[in-house]
Amino acid sequence: ETGVTQTPRHLVMGMTNKKSLKCEQHLGHNAMYWYKQSAKKPLELMFVYNFKEQTENNSVPSRFSPECPNSSHLFLHLHTLQPEDSALYLCASSQESGQGPDTQYFGPGTRLTVL
Amino acid sequence: GQNIDQPTEMTATEGAIVQINCTYQTSGFNGLFWYQQHAGEAPTFLSYNVLDGLEEKGRFSSFLSRSKGYSYLLLKELQMKDSASYLCAVRDSNYQLIWGAGTKLIIKP
Repeated sequence: ETGVTQTPRHLVMGMTNKKSLKCEQHLGHNAMYWYKQSAKKPLELMFVYNFKEQTENNSVPSRFSPECPNSSHLFLHLHTLQPEDSALYLCASSQESGQGPDTQYFGPGTRLTVL
Repeated sequence: GQNIDQPTEMTATEGAIVQINCTYQTSGFNGLFWYQQHAGEAPTFLSYNVLDGLEEKGRFSSFLSRSKGYSYLLLKELQMKDSASYLCAVRDSNYQLIWGAGTKLIIKP
C-alpha cells in the first residue's frame, strides 16, 4: 500500500533541537494515527485524529505535539527529546465507520535517532 | 490488563509451511488483524478475522477461535521474500487496536 507517505525517512537530532515529522494520506480516509515502534515491543499508539479532531492521546509526553490541519495531513512536532525517544515513528490512516474491519494503512515510517 | 502473545522468532525452510500463533486477552473483541512488516518498511495488511474459522488468501490463511482467544497465520510454499515480521492485533470493545510485539520469521534456503 503506497497511499500513506512520510517524510523524512531518517532523522538524527540532538536533545535541544526542534523538528517535525510529516505524514500525508492519499486514500480519502477520515482518521489518522501516530505510532511509536521500538525494537521487540508492540506498536504504541500515540495520537488519533478523526475528522481532524484529536480523539486519543495515550499519555504521551508533551515534548511530542501533534497537528492535523486537514484530513489528509498529520504532523508530529518534536522538541527537547530524550535518547529513549529514538524509535521508528509510523503514521497510519483508516476510514472509520464503526463497523467492518476499518483497516489501518501505514506509511513507511521515520527512523528517529536522538543523540 | 490487555495482552497479545506471539513467538518472538521462528525459522522455516523455503518451500515449507509455517504456522505463527497468536493468543490474546482483551476487554472485548471486534476483530483480529495480521500484518506483515519487512525490515525498514511499513506494516502491510494481510488478513482480518471477526468470525470463527479459516480465511484463505492465496498462500496465506488465517484462523480464529474466539472462545479460545487464539489465532494463527499459516504460510504455505514459503518463499525467501516471506522473511519478515508478522504482527497480530486485536480490536477491543473500545475499538482500539491492541498489538502484539511481532514474530520475526526467518526463511532458510
